[in-house]
Amino acid sequence: EAGVVQSPRYKIIEKKQPVAFWCNPISGHNTLYWYLQNLGQGPELLIRYENEEAVDDSQLPKDRFSAERLKGVDSTLKIQPAELGDSAVYLCASKGGPTGELFFGEGSRLTVL
Amino acid sequence: GQNIDQPTEMTATEGAIVQINCTYQTSGFNGLFWYQQHAGEAPTFLSYNVLDGLEEKGRFSSFLSRSKGYSYLLLKELQMKDSASYLCAVQDSNYQLIWGAGTKLIIKP
Repeated sequence: EAGVVQSPRYKIIEKKQPVAFWCNPISGHNTLYWYLQNLGQGPELLIRYENEEAVDDSQLPKDRFSAERLKGVDSTLKIQPAELGDSAVYLCASKGGPTGELFFGEGSRLTVL
Repeated sequence: GQNIDQPTEMTATEGAIVQINCTYQTSGFNGLFWYQQHAGEAPTFLSYNVLDGLEEKGRFSSFLSRSKGYSYLLLKELQMKDSASYLCAVQDSNYQLIWGAGTKLIIKP
């Protein structure tokens, strides 16, 4: 069974440029998360989806961040315009398994210059 | 507010035993998770506790005391590959996950 797939793995952009990240969760997992993780810190929730509905986006900086999950499968996270402080790893996860644990993708490492 | 505390860093010797503690204050409780994260990689699930007591899974065990808001992860027969960060996460009454900052475990030969 394929795991959570994310792309790109690495992205380097200049500030004020746009960037987009893509995530394909494990088949059958209805709950999808986007997290931001800085070095030495735990994941910080950006948005949580139940199927195609965003059920928790309270931590998403909506002035520059947007996300969508059309058809309740793949999801895209966009930043426009990017700022220096957005440099981080963006993790996508889907929820499943017997205990409702999260399965994470390998992450997209963003560097904003 | 909701809070999870873990030591920032711990050091242990190969072959030894180490206990990583996690204390939490959350709005309700619907389970506690431990994840392992190697440098530059994504977190991977280790264990889940929802009732008080010890859950054993091979070399790893996790303990929970809900009345004390306390959990620990016990790693036995440490191997060099156990060098990683260990993240504690609690699911609150709304099934929202609250994450600790992680404990970096350094294993020395």
